[in-house]
Amino acid sequence: GNSVTQMEGPVTLSEEAFLTINCTYTATGYPSLFWYVQYPGEGLQLLLKATKADDKGSNKGFEATYRKETTSFHLEKGSVQVSDSAVYFCALAVYGGSQGNLIFGKGTKLSVKP
Amino acid sequence: DAGVIQSPRHEVTEMGQEVTLRCKPISGHDYLFWYRQTMMRGLELLIYFNNNVPIDDSGMPEDRFSAKMPNASFSTLKIQPSEPRDSAVYFCASSSGEQFFGPGTRLTVL
Repeated sequence: GNSVTQMEGPVTLSEEAFLTINCTYTATGYPSLFWYVQYPGEGLQLLLKATKADDKGSNKGFEATYRKETTSFHLEKGSVQVSDSAVYFCALAVYGGSQGNLIFGKGTKLSVKP
Repeated sequence: DAGVIQSPRHEVTEMGQEVTLRCKPISGHDYLFWYRQTMMRGLELLIYFNNNVPIDDSGMPEDRFSAKMPNASFSTLKIQPSEPRDSAVYFCASSSGEQFFGPGTRLTVL
């Protein structure tokens, strides 16, 4: 079946540190991949996405590359800020677009200390 | 646009009571999703609609849960009777491409 596995948190970093949150997936066909972010007390927001192999999604200094050979979509940021503290969810769309069923990982909580 | 609107934001009820959660999607979006978020199970899709028609309700946990979308601007998720294990944050999302999430309803069943 289709599934997403992401590293368990919490992850605690100092400001300006490098961030990597690992995400791997299992899917039939060619899914689209997403990272969502959830700030405290809010709903999820789309952070970035990639729709095909080797695509790189990027937004707000975050990047992730769709790696078909390793079935991965790791999230990276070169220098985190306190304002990046949130829960990050990796997700895939089984129909290749977000209209269909989004399957989420369990989320990784990031805390950035000043 | 005001985004996806959910009400109430918080609901505390006693076991056995009926609970109704409400959602107003973004105007023009043709998909609507209901999710449940708990620490133990993460984020789960309960049901989604396309053009007001339920497409997949396989995530609805049991017959106590029901969802309706009488028109393009309104949907409800009802739990009757509620149980303590239903305590969670319930999110509504709408989409015409990218999914936009509402702020959620935090439900506590005592």
